[in-house]
Amino acid sequence: TQLLEQSPQFLSIQEGENLTVYCNSSSVFSSLQWYRQEPGEGPVLLVTVVTGGEVKKLKRLTFQFGDARKDSSLHITAAQPGDTGLYLCAALGLNAGKSTFGDGTTLTVKP
Amino acid sequence: DTGVSQDPRHKITKRGQNVTFRCDPISEHNRLYWYRQTLGQGPEFLTYFQNEAQLEKSRLLSDRFSAERPKGSFSTLEIQRTEQGDSAMYLCASSLGPELKLFFGSGTQLSVL
Repeated sequence: TQLLEQSPQFLSIQEGENLTVYCNSSSVFSSLQWYRQEPGEGPVLLVTVVTGGEVKKLKRLTFQFGDARKDSSLHITAAQPGDTGLYLCAALGLNAGKSTFGDGTTLTVKP
Repeated sequence: DTGVSQDPRHKITKRGQNVTFRCDPISEHNRLYWYRQTLGQGPEFLTYFQNEAQLEKSRLLSDRFSAERPKGSFSTLEIQRTEQGDSAMYLCASSLGPELKLFFGSGTQLSVL
């Protein structure tokens, strides 16, 4: 059973465009994280959101945690080729000691 | 400190052989995790340690898989009698305490022929 659904699975855009990717679940999580992974490397943490409704910004990236703590979105403004990668969301359950990952969104930004 | 280190980076083996991977976490991190990732999917939890204690194992982890973390430092993941379905990237991550900010290594890419 996949607890986290990420959409879209693939996204290919031109440099300079804006985009939003989503992470959804029917479960409530104590916190949610976004990672970026490049081919042949491990994921790298971008942000952790904890409070329902929380919005965090990291340069051109804006992360939002849903009010009910069941979903999250990642918005990238003016995408650049360096943003290309696999974007993963991961959630920590209310009583679990581990993170559960979605299957990711593969983003390609063309110059 | 250079982060989480995994060795080897790549491993090619024949079906039925045993393989062992090593992970050296960030030195002050007390939690260590093993994940498996196949192409087109996110990392899938296998097991984790707090210090030397193995606290949880995924039901996906068959009896052919075993992990250890002696003395709460480095960890090894062994796969016995490898099968082609074991081909994947094996990722190790460490964290400090319950905040679960995971720091991943670069992984070991296993190919079973």
